Amino acid sequence: GNSVTQMEGPVTLSEEAFLTINCTYTATGYPSLFWYVQYPGEGLQLLLKATKADDKGSNKGFEATYRKETTSFHLEKGSVQVSDSAVYFCALRDDKIIFGKGTRLHILP
Amino acid sequence: DTEVTQTPKHLVMGMTNKKSLKCEQHMGHRAMYWYKQKAKKPPELMFVYSYEKLSINESVPSRFSPECPNSSLLNLHLHALQPEDSALYLCASSLGHAAVYEQYFGPGTRLTVT
Repeated sequence: GNSVTQMEGPVTLSEEAFLTINCTYTATGYPSLFWYVQYPGEGLQLLLKATKADDKGSNKGFEATYRKETTSFHLEKGSVQVSDSAVYFCALRDDKIIFGKGTRLHILP
Repeated sequence: DTEVTQTPKHLVMGMTNKKSLKCEQHMGHRAMYWYKQKAKKPPELMFVYSYEKLSINESVPSRFSPECPNSSLLNLHLHALQPEDSALYLCASSLGHAAVYEQYFGPGTRLTVT
């Protein structure tokens, strides 16, 4: 069946550091891929998405590229801020959303 | 209006109580969803409504009863819950149920069963 694997957290970085959160997927067909963010005490917000191979999703300085050859959708940001501290979920969508386990990110001032 | 609203924000209920969670969206979305999220876990799909009809029930116990009275509203009726049902309940909506449509999530109702 379809699945999503993302790096275990927590990830702790200093402000202005470069961020990468790895995400790989297993799927039949060509699912849409998403990154969702969940801030403490809140629901999920869609951060970015890509619907086909080589698409790049971007939002708020975050980027991820749909790589079919490596079945990956890694999340990157060039310079993180304290306000980026949250849990990040990689997900794929075919009939329903399949989430990864989530990566907790702590940014230190 | 580009948001999904949920009420109440917090709910504490006993195991013999009956309560309801409410979800509303005015984006013209025709698919609506209930998810359950335990602490430090990803959301788990419970129910999907498409065009006000239940299309997916992920083998959820009958003590959870969904209802979609119209295209903007989604309820989750709760009865005789167990302490292990304590969780964050998230509602989401999308333009349609097809995979290309992104889901918009509400802020959730944090439920505690005592």
